[in-house]
Amino acid sequence: NAGVTQTPKFQVLKTGQSMTLQCAQDMNHNSMYWYRQDPGMGLRLIYYSASEGTTDKGEVPNGYNVSRLNKREFSLRLESAAPSQTSVYFCASSDSPYNEQFFGPGTRLTVL
Amino acid sequence: KNEVEQSPQNLTAQEGEFITINCSYSVGISALHWLQQHPGGGIVSLFMLSSGKKKHGRLIATINIQEKHSSLHITASHPRDSAVYICAVRGKIQGAQKLVFGQGTRLTINP
Repeated sequence: NAGVTQTPKFQVLKTGQSMTLQCAQDMNHNSMYWYRQDPGMGLRLIYYSASEGTTDKGEVPNGYNVSRLNKREFSLRLESAAPSQTSVYFCASSDSPYNEQFFGPGTRLTVL
Repeated sequence: KNEVEQSPQNLTAQEGEFITINCSYSVGISALHWLQQHPGGGIVSLFMLSSGKKKHGRLIATINIQEKHSSLHITASHPRDSAVYICAVRGKIQGAQKLVFGQGTRLTINP
């Protein structure tokens, strides 16, 4: 089993460009999450999906959109990238919102 | 004030030492998680606990709900334990589906 996979691993964008970060899990988990990690700050929740067909905003949703494409896949879209979105992005999944989360390897995004 | 505070922020020790990392939180919680972030960036869940103590190998996690405090202990520390250790809490009512994370404690074990 691959667990949680994320693509791409690294990405450089120019201000105003758009892109989609992909996340997939093969553990048949119901819940999936997108976090960002910035230096000196803890992981912060961007969006989450408690179950297939539902999505909710987290702590820092502005500038992002998500799609729960099916039970396996949860994508994060930046419509118009800004330098403030330079960060490392982690996707995670869990079988329920109340259990431990399994994390992907992360995507390092730089916006120039 | 952050909801979750960890101390120390950085810790350097010699191989074999007993390590303690602390986590204090300010809200009522239903569970507390300890995670490990490797130098390469990957994040792994170590423990999830809501009361008492859990042990896995050389790692021990304890929680005191009344004092809103948890500790992560590492016995007989080894250089491979060098990592960032992250505490996260899940709220009791509102936001019960979400985790709030501390800033992490960077642990370095020298041989």
